[in-house]
Amino acid sequence: DVKVTQSSRYLVKRTGEKVFLECVQDMDHENMFWYRQDPGLGLRLIYFSYDVKMKEKGDIPEGYSVSREKKERFSLILESASTNQTSMYLCASSLGLVAEENNEQFFGPGTRLTVL
Amino acid sequence: QKEVEQDPGPLSVPEGAIVSLNCTYSNSAFQYFMWYRQYSRKGPELLMYTYSSGNKEDGRFTAQVDKSSKYISLFIRDSQPSDSATYLCAMSTEDTDKLIFGTGTRLQVFP
Repeated sequence: DVKVTQSSRYLVKRTGEKVFLECVQDMDHENMFWYRQDPGLGLRLIYFSYDVKMKEKGDIPEGYSVSREKKERFSLILESASTNQTSMYLCASSLGLVAEENNEQFFGPGTRLTVL
Repeated sequence: QKEVEQDPGPLSVPEGAIVSLNCTYSNSAFQYFMWYRQYSRKGPELLMYTYSSGNKEDGRFTAQVDKSSKYISLFIRDSQPSDSATYLCAMSTEDTDKLIFGTGTRLQVFP
């Protein structure tokens, strides 16, 4: 079974802190994604990566950066956390790029981040 | 206007009922349509996948796509309390790697 793990289930940080969210997948997937999920807004794509050291902006990249130094690991970085970044953060991975049936996105359990 | 619209619910039904969940969309280029199920405090998991138009059935679940109306549906027959979750529709075009998600509909099936 594909497993996507995220470093923390719950995280509380203060405004201005640098925050690292880590995601690891164990199925040798090419693609990894970071989303945030907010009530009434659904899942919104922050960044995705289709290869090591490659990244693409999603729909809401402002205030975030990412790092993919190894194929299995994709990190989301909040350089200076703000209260409007309080959210549920979900990582996902997929085998291929196009949304075909055998390229489904597998999600981690999420990290609920609170910025005070 | 959002690209994908989904009624957030909550939808509360008795066990055994037929449930209908729906999404509408505005982008006629969408070709891949998915339904994800998300239990509380978990990540979403793929439930149903449909390419282009038509129906797809898997056990108690049926996914329908009507591209002429830009409307997709998920039907759950003989609903069970274990079906209580948030259901998210998602869709994508041929030439992108990105999924566009609906906001999700929270479903509660009571015994």
